[in-house]
Amino acid sequence: ETGVTQSPTHLIKTRGQQVTLRCSSQSGHNTVSWYQQALGQGPQFIFQYYREEENGRGNFPPRFSGLQFPNYSSELNVNALELDDSALYLCASSPDGGGSYEQYFGPGTRLTVT
Amino acid sequence: AQRVTQPEKLLSVFKGAPVELKCNYSYSGSPELFWYVQYSRQRLQLLLRHISRESIKGFTADLNKGETSFHLKKPFAQEEDSAMYYCALSPNPGSARQLTFGSGTQLTVLP
Repeated sequence: ETGVTQSPTHLIKTRGQQVTLRCSSQSGHNTVSWYQQALGQGPQFIFQYYREEENGRGNFPPRFSGLQFPNYSSELNVNALELDDSALYLCASSPDGGGSYEQYFGPGTRLTVT
Repeated sequence: AQRVTQPEKLLSVFKGAPVELKCNYSYSGSPELFWYVQYSRQRLQLLLRHISRESIKGFTADLNKGETSFHLKKPFAQEEDSAMYYCALSPNPGSARQLTFGSGTQLTVLP
């Protein structure tokens, strides 16, 4: 069984640029959630995708968008990057539309915006 | 809107001593509550959930709806318990969807 993987591991971008982060779900999982973790804080929910549809969103502006593909892998896109977007971005997968009691987290992508 | 508060950023105890990591929440409905743990150089993983009423690695947590708390306890701490602990809440009954996390408590168990 393959766990959740994320790419890239680290990324440095300039303010105003756009970035795409990628996530591969754990085998058999059809739901993906994205979280932003600022330094010294807990993860903050961005949005969740179930069977290629967004089915939940946290308090993040529209410049944060996502996609889920038929193989249940996912992308997080952030436009017009701001310095405050610097954070660890975590992807988590779960089976059954997120109705299970556990989310399985990836190792994260560290984004630095300069 | 829901909120999770972990009042202690850092907590140090000696090996064999009892440990309690505090978690308070605010939510108008009946939430599902969890403790997640992140050991050094490992990914975030579920430790336990209140619905299961289970003990994992000697840890237990009791949901107190009156005090809106979900404190994590272990009677005898071990050095391998040193890690970052996050309390989390899901507003969706019966699931772990859309988790709201606290800011975490770094537990250090001293030899």
